[in-house]
Amino acid sequence: KQEVTQIPAALSVPEGENLVLNCSFTDSAIYNLQWFRQDPGKGLTSLLLIQSSQREQTSGRLNASLDKSSGRSTLYIAASQPGDSATYLCAVGGGTSYGKLTFGQGTILTVHP
Amino acid sequence: EAGVAQSPRYKIIEKRQSVAFWCNPISGHATLYWYQQILGQGPKLLIQFQNNGVVDDSQLPKDRFSAERLKGVDSTLKIQPAKLEDSAVYLCASSFRNRGRETQYFGPGTRLLVL
Repeated sequence: KQEVTQIPAALSVPEGENLVLNCSFTDSAIYNLQWFRQDPGKGLTSLLLIQSSQREQTSGRLNASLDKSSGRSTLYIAASQPGDSATYLCAVGGGTSYGKLTFGQGTILTVHP
Repeated sequence: EAGVAQSPRYKIIEKRQSVAFWCNPISGHATLYWYQQILGQGPKLLIQFQNNGVVDDSQLPKDRFSAERLKGVDSTLKIQPAKLEDSAVYLCASSFRNRGRETQYFGPGTRLLVL
């Protein structure tokens, strides 16, 4: 059974700092890995999707890496802004069906001015 | 492009009552998912539909939860009877596959409180 763990559970940083969020998973037989953002009272927004054959994806100030063999992914946020404050969720795709996602518990990020 | 729609947004019921949630996916998306997100946890998949057929319902508590997707479009999720531990946000998502890549688009969720 796939298990996904995110560290840290919460993070508070001053504006402008670069930061790293960590995600680990127990079963390396995955189709892909996604990072989502969730704002309070809102649904999830997909930030980056890394296919199992890829090692990283970049979008603006975000960079996500994937190391399947070690079961790890990191989300790097450069020059953080207060608007980045949200919960960040890591999810791995695979298992009994192609689209099935197994989520971590999330990292609550607060960027203060 | 309209996103995934869900209703109601909030629901408060007493334990042992019944409740139903509705989801309208993005037009053309064949796959629809229902997730349960308990406070402080990540979403957990309850059921996955491909058109109007069930692909995965291994984590759906079938003694009290049921879901259907008539005509392969809208879907309803029902809980009967509800328990205190069912208090959570219920998220609906839809997706389509393009060149081997699949992205799930999530609705805003229905927040359920069972008293």
